[in-house]
Amino acid sequence: SQQGEEDPQALSIQEGENATMNCSYKTSINNLQWYRQNSGRGLVHLILIRSNEREKHSGRLRVTLDTSKKSSSLLITASRAADTASYFCATSGTYKYIFGTGTRLKVLA
Amino acid sequence: DVKVTQSSRYLVKRTGEKVFLECVQDMDHENMFWYRQDPGLGLRLIYFSYDVKMKEKGDIPEGYSVSREKKERFSLILESASTNQTSMYLCASSPGFSGANVLTFGAGSRLTVL
Repeated sequence: SQQGEEDPQALSIQEGENATMNCSYKTSINNLQWYRQNSGRGLVHLILIRSNEREKHSGRLRVTLDTSKKSSSLLITASRAADTASYFCATSGTYKYIFGTGTRLKVLA
Repeated sequence: DVKVTQSSRYLVKRTGEKVFLECVQDMDHENMFWYRQDPGLGLRLIYFSYDVKMKEKGDIPEGYSVSREKKERFSLILESASTNQTSMYLCASSPGFSGANVLTFGAGSRLTVL
């Protein structure tokens, strides 16, 4: 069964706006990762946050992790049309990486 | 650049055919994975392998088998394809299971079973 659930399922914003997507999970984790998927392609790793971290930045990406609520958020600032993609959170246990169902982001030029 | 190469981007097969999906990685990664991706269901793990000739079932192994005869190659086999196996198949690899490893994915293989 899927561990992560992203929210919202779909998001449409104007170029230059910020996009926030959320992920909830069910069990204890070692780390949480975010991946991006362009239409019809494989996934690309964006950022990893460890269970003992609360916030992490990478360029225009900001990820937060709240282990008490079992949730994470991904913020993309100053979005661009090229950010249009699906975004997935993934949690890793001992041997498995478990993905959520994804948020489809559309950035309108 | 780390590369995971899936041999076929698009395949169309008939019900009952045997299907091979090949995946090759060039980074000497220990672990390799096969996922299938369906709308509304996200990515579901079919099988993974942590070493040559080793394999473990994922969440949905029924109807599939795998082979890992060499470290760089992980094959997914559909012994008798069925229409409900129409899907996008994604191969991925990672260095190990340390907990901070990220997955590197191939471009995907879209399989249609008629």
